[in-house]
Amino acid sequence: SQQGEEDPQALSIQEGENATMNCSYKTSINNLQWYRQNSGRGLVHLILIRSNEREKHSGRLRVTLDTSKKSSSLLITASRAADTASYFCATDGGAQKLVFGQGTRLTINP
Amino acid sequence: ETGVTQTPRHLVMGMTNKKSLKCEQHLGHNAMYWYKQSAKKPLELMFVYNFKEQTENNSVPSRFSPECPNSSHLFLHLHTLQPEDSALYLCASSQARGGNRNEQFFGPGTRLTVL
Repeated sequence: SQQGEEDPQALSIQEGENATMNCSYKTSINNLQWYRQNSGRGLVHLILIRSNEREKHSGRLRVTLDTSKKSSSLLITASRAADTASYFCATDGGAQKLVFGQGTRLTINP
Repeated sequence: ETGVTQTPRHLVMGMTNKKSLKCEQHLGHNAMYWYKQSAKKPLELMFVYNFKEQTENNSVPSRFSPECPNSSHLFLHLHTLQPEDSALYLCASSQARGGNRNEQFFGPGTRLTVL
């Protein structure tokens, strides 16, 4: 299985701090994606990083990918209360099959 | 809003009922997906449709029957479900070709409870 596994399962920080979440996977991938899900809602695509990329930025988000270690990290800088959500990594090994991890539950305290 | 809508948002049904979930996308995509999200389990891919043709059935029980009449609409017909089928059912869409084909846009989901 190339299931992504996020770490930590839950993270609670103060508003303004940075949040870092990690994802590990098992097999080779075409790309890795991060999604956010607010409670009981659908997922929102945040960022995609291809297997030949090492780092990518989008606003306050920074994603890294280390294919040799089969791991990725998502950094959210200057966190806000609105960032409270679950964050999932999803690996794409081809054929439109995204395999999701169990997610990190992020809580931003005011 | 992501451009993907799902109805109903909540559904309670008995094990002998027949119901359908509906998904519609307004993004001009030609691939659509059904996912199941259960408590404490990863999101599970159920079905994939490309240009109205089913290209993936992830060993889903036959009590779940998908239908894709066109590239904008996707249904999931439900019959004789079990309580363990209670979950959030998510629909998604994407381009089937091109550089962004793997970015998927999700609907808000249907929260299904089977009694």
